[in-house]
Formats: sequence, structure tokens, C-alpha cells
Amino acid sequence: RKEVEQDPGPFNVPEGATVAFNCTYSNSASQSFFWYRQDCRKEPKLLMSVYSSGNEDGRFTAQLNRASQYISLLIRDSKLSDSATYLCVAPEGGTALIFGKGTTLSVSS
Amino acid sequence: GAVVSQHPSWVICKSGTSVKIECRSLDFQATTMFWYRQFPKQSLMLMATSNEGSKATYEQGVEKDKFLINHASLTLSTLTVTSAHPEDSSFYICSAMTGGNGYTFGSGTRLTVV
Repeated sequence: RKEVEQDPGPFNVPEGATVAFNCTYSNSASQSFFWYRQDCRKEPKLLMSVYSSGNEDGRFTAQLNRASQYISLLIRDSKLSDSATYLCVAPEGGTALIFGKGTTLSVSS
Repeated sequence: GAVVSQHPSWVICKSGTSVKIECRSLDFQATTMFWYRQFPKQSLMLMATSNEGSKATYEQGVEKDKFLINHASLTLSTLTVTSAHPEDSSFYICSAMTGGNGYTFGSGTRLTVV
């Protein structure tokens, strides 16, 4: 099975900080990617989809580098509510989602 | 949006008993359902893929006779953990494909085997 590797974390940052996570994937055939957010003991929630070079939604920016096979997630002006585990996800063969191990972010006041 | 209802949210059972987890798609037809398992501080690991009306496809290392999957209708898939043991204690979650390459997740089931 193809692998998805993420920064080990955890990332501990103060409110207002900018933080970036990286994720590498091994399946060069993957066309789309996702960043999910998972709170403790909850199901993952879709944060962003990345289909081309990148995507931006408010404080969140995702970028895709196909040549180097990595995806990044940038969070600007971190909020306490951003504290969660962020999962990098790549669909395999257009079906099942393959998850990275996740990167834990803790934002403190 | 597409919703998958998963029950129960949490269950505690005695070692040796069986537990059934249900996932229902409420407003769409889920031809394919994925079952994941997540241990503490670990990633979601795909256990099996179930397709309506056919046998599930299990990932390597997942015992098909222990984790029984039934997907008899387009709106219901079940996972039964048979003869549960403490090492089966985990967070089990289902996911279905919706339209346009989208996925939706159930809310998860936290299983504790004592």
C-alpha cells in the first residue's frame, strides 16, 4: 500500500503564530489530496481539498508540489480553536483514503 | 450534505462477546463503505472496503473471520467484531464516498473490551 508521511509534531505555538505542516506521498498517480482535522475522540472533518497547485481558504493555505510529491498546510494567525490533529490524506486509486499519522497542533494563549 | 450515521458511539463489552457497529447513509446511497480503525496516537488504518451486494475486501493483516462486514443494502453497512478481546479495543469509524470525489465519515465507535 502506498504511504503518506507527515511531520511528526507536536507543534506548540502561541496564538497569532504562523505554522506550516508538510506531508509527502509516494503514489505519483494521486490526483487529489485532502487535509482533514481531527479533534480528540472525534471523526475527521474535511479542512481543505487540493486538486491543483494549491488552495486558500481564509487563514488556511494548502500547496501541492507534484514534482517533489509533497503537500503543505499553512495556518496563519493561529487561534486556540485550531488545536487539533491535522491529517494529510491521499485517495488510493480513487477509492479508499489513505491517512498520514497526523500532526498535532497545540495553540496556547 | 451527505450524512453517515454510526451507532453505537461507544460500547463496553466483555471479552469473548461480539459487537455490531452500524453505519447508515441517511440521504444518499452508499455503494461503497470503508471501515477504519484507530488506536491511540495512531493514524486511521483502513481495515476493509465493503461494496453493496458483494463480499468485502480486507486489508492485509485484518482477519475477515473476526471482523465480519455486511453491506446488504445501499444505505447500511455493518461491522461485527466477533469474540472480542482487549486488544480489539479501539476507535472504529466508517466512511462512504459521496458524489464528486467527496467522502463523509460516521461519528465513530469507541470500543472497549474488558
